[in-house]
Order: sequence, then structure tokens, then C-alpha cells
Amino acid sequence: GIQVEQSPPDLILQEGANSTLRCNFSDSVNNLQWFHQNPWGQLINLFYIPSGTKQNGRLSATTVATERYSLLYISSSQTTDSGVYFCAVLTASGTYKYIFGTGTRLKVLA
Amino acid sequence: ETGVTQSPTHLIKTRGQQVTLRCSSQSGHNTVSWYQQALGQGPQFIFQYYREEENGRGNFPPRFSGLQFPNYSSELNVNALELDDSALYLCASSPGLASYEQYFGPGTRLTVT
Repeated sequence: GIQVEQSPPDLILQEGANSTLRCNFSDSVNNLQWFHQNPWGQLINLFYIPSGTKQNGRLSATTVATERYSLLYISSSQTTDSGVYFCAVLTASGTYKYIFGTGTRLKVLA
Repeated sequence: ETGVTQSPTHLIKTRGQQVTLRCSSQSGHNTVSWYQQALGQGPQFIFQYYREEENGRGNFPPRFSGLQFPNYSSELNVNALELDDSALYLCASSPGLASYEQYFGPGTRLTVT
């Protein structure tokens, strides 16, 4: 099956710093989604981005489907950005289901 | 707020017992997927229900079973609980079988002792 790898596994930033999170996937996919999981476990949709670039405030994402990777950029980080960031790829082999990476744990220090 | 609710929030069970977790999907959504998230891992797909029928299953044993009701709410049942079943259980609802939009509930944290 499809493998999804994320890097780095852990990241500590000072408030105001920028960061780039990476997601590599091993096969072509129907869709790719970035999530932020807050400390209470809620998964929050950030971007649906099977290809191209999207921006939402301080966050932006780029997926290069032909090269099988996606990047999530966080600019001017805030303490509320802390949590775990997951990318998940949608595979439609029989069932539309998401395959998640192992996540990047981000801690932003005040 | 995704409109997807789960109950209970937390649950403690003993090895060998049975548990039922519940999920109410977002209004207008007829598809519900269940995921298990072990500590420090990404969520793993358990199974999906579409219009009251199971529509695909991940690599989980038969003691994990589910139901979907006519109002599209869903249950996840786990029999003969094992210590490794301790995890956060997430449900996600989507507006259709072929939709990429999945909205996750807040999860149920199950601890098996």
C-alpha cells in the first residue's frame, strides 16, 4: 500500500519563526490533506491540496504530485500553532480512505 | 466545529470486556469512517459505512465491528478488549462515498487496563 512519510518528526520554534514541514508519498493519490491535531485530539482540516499551491493566512501548502511530495509552510508562528501536523493521502482503491503519515510534532515557545 | 460528535469522551475498560463507541455525522453526510490512533501514531483506517452497509475495512480483526443507522449515525463495537486497543478512536463523516471531504469528530479516548 501507499507509504506516507513526514519530516521532521519533531520541531521546536521560537514564536515568530517560520517553518517548513514535508510529506512524501510513495504512489499517485486522489487527494492530499493537511491536518492540525490540537492537544485535545481534534483533527482540524487545513488544506485539501492534491496539487498546486494554496494559502490561508499564515499557512500555505504546495503539492508537487508528479514528484510525490507536499510542503506545509507556517510563517510567523504562534504558540497556538503547537500540536501535531499530519498529512494524509486519499486512496480510492475500493474505499475512499485516508492514509496518514506519522506526523510532525510542533512546539512553539513564547 | 465540524458538526461531528462522538460519545463518550473518555472510557476506561478492563481487558476482555466489550465497548461501544458512538458517532453522529454532520447533517447531510451519509458516509462514516472510523479510525484508530495509538499514542504517537497517525490515525489508521478501521472501516467505513455508507448507507448502513460496510464499504471497506482496514487491517483490523473481526472483533472490531460497526453499525450505521438510518439517520447515518454510527457505532463502533470492540469485543474481547486487549491492552493494545487503548487509543483515540476518531470518526469522520463525509457527504458521499466518493467525496474527499472527511470531517473528523473530537474522538473517544479508550483506555484498557
